[in-house]
Amino acid sequence: QSALTQPASVSGSPGQSITISCTGTSSDVGGYNYVSWYQHHPGKAPKLMIYEVSNRPSGVSNRFSGSKSGNTASLTISGLQAEDEADYYCSSYTSSNTFVMFGGGTKLTVL
Amino acid sequence: QLQLQESGPGLVKPSETLSLICTVAGGSISSNTYYWGWIRQPPGKGLEWIGSIYYTGTTYYNPSLKSRVTISVDKSKNQFSLRLNSMTAADTAVYYCARLGSITIFGAVIMNWFDPWGQGTLVTVSS
Repeated sequence: QSALTQPASVSGSPGQSITISCTGTSSDVGGYNYVSWYQHHPGKAPKLMIYEVSNRPSGVSNRFSGSKSGNTASLTISGLQAEDEADYYCSSYTSSNTFVMFGGGTKLTVL
Repeated sequence: QLQLQESGPGLVKPSETLSLICTVAGGSISSNTYYWGWIRQPPGKGLEWIGSIYYTGTTYYNPSLKSRVTISVDKSKNQFSLRLNSMTAADTAVYYCARLGSITIFGAVIMNWFDPWGQGTLVTVSS
């Protein structure tokens, strides 16, 4: 089964807002509210940023927000900071026997 | 604060078996709230879920790897392990372990989110 679809890269200037999309199907993103987002700085442990579409774990900045419309989930980062430059991955529960799927990842560059 | 740490060989020969251990610190692997999982990332590629285990030993595997994967748990050591046999170059990847938040609805396990993750360990398959 194909991974969830994310743009390969996005960029923005400090202070701006960016949105990363994650497109799946009605068997995963569209059918369930179990979408999560991870921030990954190379060489470090991935970090959970959003779970269940729009919930932020304790300690995650409120500059990070999540939403979903149909088969597409989105991660929005407002007030971009240099430290936000990282790879971002979405994930979703799937009703297929794969149980969980990841997106291909999006590289965020802060200009 | 819960921390996970992967350990194991960084180099495996083709056709051999990879064995990795994930040590859980700062919390019990016997929690009835969480599963524990393995995820990998080949160089330049995205994340791939390998499989997950509950402290009772119940396992779920990615169908694409199921024939080659075994995940087990050692409650006495607060560890869980990954074995992947018949390794090929395609299995070269950074391997991560993570705690898995899950929900059970009408007997179906919903794999929800992974947090925290270990730092990951690079495994290279080469002769």
